[in-house]
Amino acid sequence: EVQVVESGGGLVQPGGSLRLSCVGSGFTFSGYWMSWVRQAPGKGLEWVANIKEDGSEKNYLDSVRGRFIISRDNGKDSLYVEMSSLRVEDTAVYYCARGTGWLDPWGQGTLVTVSS
Amino acid sequence: EIVMTQSPAILSVSPGERASLSCRASQTVNNKLAWYQQKPGQAPRLLIYGASNRATGIPARFSGSGSGPEFTLTISSLQSEDFAVYYCQQYNNWPRTFGQGTKVEIK
Repeated sequence: EVQVVESGGGLVQPGGSLRLSCVGSGFTFSGYWMSWVRQAPGKGLEWVANIKEDGSEKNYLDSVRGRFIISRDNGKDSLYVEMSSLRVEDTAVYYCARGTGWLDPWGQGTLVTVSS
Repeated sequence: EIVMTQSPAILSVSPGERASLSCRASQTVNNKLAWYQQKPGQAPRLLIYGASNRATGIPARFSGSGSGPEFTLTISSLQSEDFAVYYCQQYNNWPRTFGQGTKVEIK
């Protein structure tokens, strides 16, 4: 079964940092772009960042550029996002997804809450 | 940034009826358009890519059409499990952008 599973969410204070992880299975992880998408409580979907198969190309949403860093370890079939200088408005469920165009599959998501 | 606008925001439909959901892009996206279904508490699920190609395992009652800036997702005969929120997404340009969603509810 092709799947991705996120972890690492939690409660963090404004200005703090957090690292999310995502592990892929059932497919050749190193053969795919990977993406992070978020969804604020009760809101729609917002693409955050993605990374090329070999990590040589990365793209970011303007509002997270300079604060978030996407990376991957193909030896561990894993995707990461290092989030720093977190803001209240970064509060959301963060989804990992395979692909850079259409996204499939998506993980179940991990909740990041930025609050004092 | 390409703005994706979905209409209506809420669509009330009876089981067995046909539902048509619209998605308009602020500029052409060259058919690089996907549709997703999201149920409460669940992750989005890919339904359609390339504007009209059904993803693996998606029932034939789901179909996508359109080109340029205007796209439609049609559910030919709504089943109980189809009541959910539907999002369109363009992947022609960076950043990738989603519509605000259409909620399909039971009439």
